[in-house]
Formats: sequence, structure tokens, C-alpha cells
Amino acid sequence: NAGVTQTPKFQVLKTGQSMTLQCAQDMNHNSMYWYRQDPGMGLRLIYYSASEGTTDKGEVPNGYNVSRLNKREFSLRLESAAPSQTSVYFCASSEVWRGETQYFGPGTRLLVL
Amino acid sequence: GENVEQHPSTLSVQEGDSAVIKCTYSDSASNYFPWYKQELGKGPQLIIDIRSNVGEKKDQRIAVTLNKTAKHFSLHITETQPEDSAVYFCAATANGVTYGMNTGGTIDKLTFGKGTHVFIIS
Repeated sequence: NAGVTQTPKFQVLKTGQSMTLQCAQDMNHNSMYWYRQDPGMGLRLIYYSASEGTTDKGEVPNGYNVSRLNKREFSLRLESAAPSQTSVYFCASSEVWRGETQYFGPGTRLLVL
Repeated sequence: GENVEQHPSTLSVQEGDSAVIKCTYSDSASNYFPWYKQELGKGPQLIIDIRSNVGEKKDQRIAVTLNKTAKHFSLHITETQPEDSAVYFCAATANGVTYGMNTGGTIDKLTFGKGTHVFIIS
């Protein structure tokens, strides 16, 4: 099992450009999450998908959109990147949405110039 | 909403000594407390967790204690080794806390502390 995989590992964007971060899990988990990690801020939830076919906003959703493509895949899209979106992005998954262990991917490091 | 405070932010420990990281939480409804370890360039990995019906849990050199009355929980690492150097995050979750206008159902909100950088000195 690869667990949770993310692509790309690193990306540089110019302000206003768009991109999609990809995430896939092979653990047959129902719930998936996107977090961002910034120095001194810990991990903050951007969007989540409690189960296949559903998505909803987390703590810091502005400037992002998501798609739960199928049970395995959950993508995060930046339509018009801003320097404030420079961060490390982590995808995570859990078997169910109730108090279960979350498994994190290796992260995507995004720099917006 | 839930607020999780984590201390210290940085911890330097002589190899072989013990390390202790403390967290406090604000929501008395929180009932699940995981600890994650994040090595440089990697995602957080769960190392131990505890539920509110348990006061202490141990796994080899790692232990977690929970005091529900005081609303704090701690991570203890004994006989520290160089590979214990990492950032450690505590977290707390309460069942069914929602984020605003949900169309996708509720989830347990996992609130993270801001992390502790642990350096093991050889």
C-alpha cells in the first residue's frame, strides 16, 4: 500500500496562475481532507469530503475549490493563485469521519511569486 | 470552538533523557486526542492516541496521559534517541462539530496545536 500520495511535490506559480493539487489514497477510506501548514500556525483545514460525492468548507476555504473525483481521489484547485497561498499543502484520509485516525500524504510545497 | 495550546514550542533534550510536551484544550466535549510526529520534508504521522475514557496509554518509549478535569494531555518520550528529533503536534477532536453551512455532512473537527520542535542532542 502506498497510503496517501500527492502530486506535485513542489510547484512555483506566478500570481494569478491556476493549478490543481492531486491526492489519492489506496486504503479504501471514506473521508478525505486538505490542510495547509504555515509556520507558527499549525495545520488548518481547507476543505473536506466526509464521503464520496460530498465536499464542504473547512476553516480556511477562500481561494480554493475541491473535487472528490471518486472514492480514491480528492483534488484541490487554486483558480487564481496569490502570494498568501504560499504554503505546504497536505492531503489526509480516514476510514470514517468520526474521530478516526487521519493518514497524511507527504505534502506539496507551493510558492506563489 | 476548540482551542488547543501546546508547550513548549522548542525542546532540546540530551540523548537518553526524557522529553515531555504538554497540551491544553478548551472544549470539554473533546473526546479523542492523537499525537502526530512530522519529520523534515514529510507529512505528519500518528504515533499514539488516547480517548477520553482512558487516563494513560503507553507504547514502548512513548506514553500519553490525559487529565479530563484539567483539560490537558501530555506526551512523554523516554530514553530519547536521535531519530526522535522531529516536530510533534497534539490534536483534539469533538464529535460532530460542523463548519458553517454544511452540505456534505458533519465531521469531527480535528484541532491541532502549533507544534513542538524537538531536538535530541548527542
